[in-house]
Amino acid sequence: DIQMTQSPSSLSASVGDRVTFTCRASESISSNLNWYQQKPGKAPNLLIYAASSLQSGVPSRFSGSGSGTDFTLTISSLQPEDFATYYCQQSYSSPRTFGQGTKLEIK
Amino acid sequence: QVQLQQSGPGLVKPSQTLSLTCAISGDSVSNNNAVWNWIRQSPSRGLEWLGRTYYRSKWYSDYAVSVKSQITINPDTSKNQFSLQLNSVTPEDTAVYYCARDGKARTFDYWGQGTLVTVSS
Repeated sequence: DIQMTQSPSSLSASVGDRVTFTCRASESISSNLNWYQQKPGKAPNLLIYAASSLQSGVPSRFSGSGSGTDFTLTISSLQPEDFATYYCQQSYSSPRTFGQGTKLEIK
Repeated sequence: QVQLQQSGPGLVKPSQTLSLTCAISGDSVSNNNAVWNWIRQSPSRGLEWLGRTYYRSKWYSDYAVSVKSQITINPDTSKNQFSLQLNSVTPEDTAVYYCARDGKARTFDYWGQGTLVTVSS
């Protein structure tokens, strides 16, 4: 199975900050990488697919980049509703696997 | 708009069978372009894909190695839903269980609301 590793595991930031999350795959997955946002008590919500494509309805302050084994998710200017946990997930091979998540907290 | 509505008990005794159903609206379980999945989430295991079912001229199912001996996922075309059965559960199977569609661009683009299943006597 492909292992997905996210860093950091938690991050404190303020409204208006620019933040970046990192995800690394244990082998090359080309651009087959998706990002999800999860709020407490809710299912994960798709933000970015194929490494850099913005899901319909997702604000443009979210962006993704990377290919191969290293990927990033960036929020350009944090809004109060962005404080949540973020997960990466590879769709290159089965079984689909997720990172352990990065929890974004208010500073 | 696709919606997935989960149902099933929130408490299961050890050694018994966990059974959940995911009812689909806005799509068809027989859609040749969709894959229907079960995923669980727990503090110890994180988000863990369990298995899937899909139709490509015939029905297919496949499962995670970690649960392969105890899991069955079945479609129900008459009710446009799919189900999860997990046999011989232990407290380690306690988790929030989600159904999800793999539809657009190999993503989990629609999710059920989640069901917390506790395995306890």
